Amino acid sequence: QITLKESGPTLVKPTQTLTLTCTFSGFSLSTSGVGVGWIRQPPGKALEWLALIYWNDDKRYSPSLKSRLTITKDTSKNQVVLTMTNMDPVDTATYYCAHSNYDFWSGTYYFDYWGQGTLVTVSS
Amino acid sequence: QTVVTQEPSLTVSPGGTVTLTCASSTGAVTSGYYPNWFQQKPGQAPRALIYSTSNKHSWTPARFSGSLLGGKAALTLSGVQPEDEAEYYCLLYYGGAVVFGGGTKLTVL
Repeated sequence: QITLKESGPTLVKPTQTLTLTCTFSGFSLSTSGVGVGWIRQPPGKALEWLALIYWNDDKRYSPSLKSRLTITKDTSKNQVVLTMTNMDPVDTATYYCAHSNYDFWSGTYYFDYWGQGTLVTVSS
Repeated sequence: QTVVTQEPSLTVSPGGTVTLTCASSTGAVTSGYYPNWFQQKPGQAPRALIYSTSNKHSWTPARFSGSLLGGKAALTLSGVQPEDEAEYYCLLYYGGAVVFGGGTKLTVL
């Protein structure tokens, strides 16, 4: 059974750096094809993909936010950490992490399990 | 910057059929974009429905199906139920990175 849970501050000030942790169970980030992604959703708006880290430590970032994001993994702790620098009120959103997998045998790619999300408010 | 486009809103009657689409600014959507579809209801995390164009997760109701249609990914709901009223998002894979569509608000009326 796969579960993911996001944790981190609920309130950050403008210009500060946000650090979010995704703690997961039911899978290993050292298994070929597996990835963990971060996605955010401002209140009333659409989902926006932020970053992905794969089992082989390949890291991908949204082009529009790449300069502000860093994603890392700690396989032994079953955690993925996302940092976002220079936070602004427009970054107020619910932040989700999700499990992804590329199944080499069937040639399929999917996001399946999501965390419950954590609301981060940026305000002075 | 790649943009993935969905219909902003659609309305369907209970028991009816509706098709939502997902287009890429880079050109025709093919199976190599591994289209995924998600359903999101207010206050909830997204729930995965369809992956790699037409594959269903074990929890996906049979009335949901995915396909490629006219150069776009498509999600079809047949025999729509009131509980299908929700926001629907597609996701496309671009060689390691992904992009979400802007979402379709589906109203069942």
